Amino acid sequence: ETGVTQTPRHLVMGMTNKKSLKCEQHLGHNAMYWYKQSAKKPLELMFVYNFKEQTENNSVPSRFSPECPNSSHLFLHLHTLQPEDSALYLCASSQEGGRGHVEQYFGPGTRLTVT
Amino acid sequence: GQNIDQPTEMTATEGAIVQINCTYQTSGFNGLFWYQQHAGEAPTFLSYNVLDGLEEKGRFSSFLSRSKGYSYLLLKELQMKDSASYLCAVRDGDYKLSFGAGTTVTVRA
Repeated sequence: ETGVTQTPRHLVMGMTNKKSLKCEQHLGHNAMYWYKQSAKKPLELMFVYNFKEQTENNSVPSRFSPECPNSSHLFLHLHTLQPEDSALYLCASSQEGGRGHVEQYFGPGTRLTVT
Repeated sequence: GQNIDQPTEMTATEGAIVQINCTYQTSGFNGLFWYQQHAGEAPTFLSYNVLDGLEEKGRFSSFLSRSKGYSYLLLKELQMKDSASYLCAVRDGDYKLSFGAGTTVTVRA
């Protein structure tokens, strides 16, 4: 595997379900991110982890719970979601603290539908 | 808050040139990125500008004017495979990228 992978690619869940999204990066990066992408809206940054420490939480509802067990893996635990949470959830990684520009590498996303 | 504006849609003919403008008002500035995103796929990095001027990479060029809060992405010799959404993003500090809503470019034969 190369780059950033995400599983599952598609997920349909009811409002009372609990599920988790998984992200893995194979690039040796030290920072990982969760974004939400809704139709016709900008990507919204949800969480940032740098060296496994959460450095940003953009006022995300508590029904979304991130977990970063190591610098290569990132999870997003979901519970009691609302229909408006239906979106594409993108994971990204980058190597911070070095010289030059720092681009973020994105995974293919999980298309989430809440029924 | 951050404000990044770009047109919603653009259409052009195969072989033509298209210029996608992006204006931004952010609390800080540490570089501007352009990403390409095909439907159902991950955004992929196209270009980066941190100093004023033009950066050229094959058929793609990106320009930045920090004093005007303005950038554009220029796509030359358009091909059908260039039909995609193009995202402008500003890095306004450590780690954080703020994105525009994206410009959907449709290339017609």
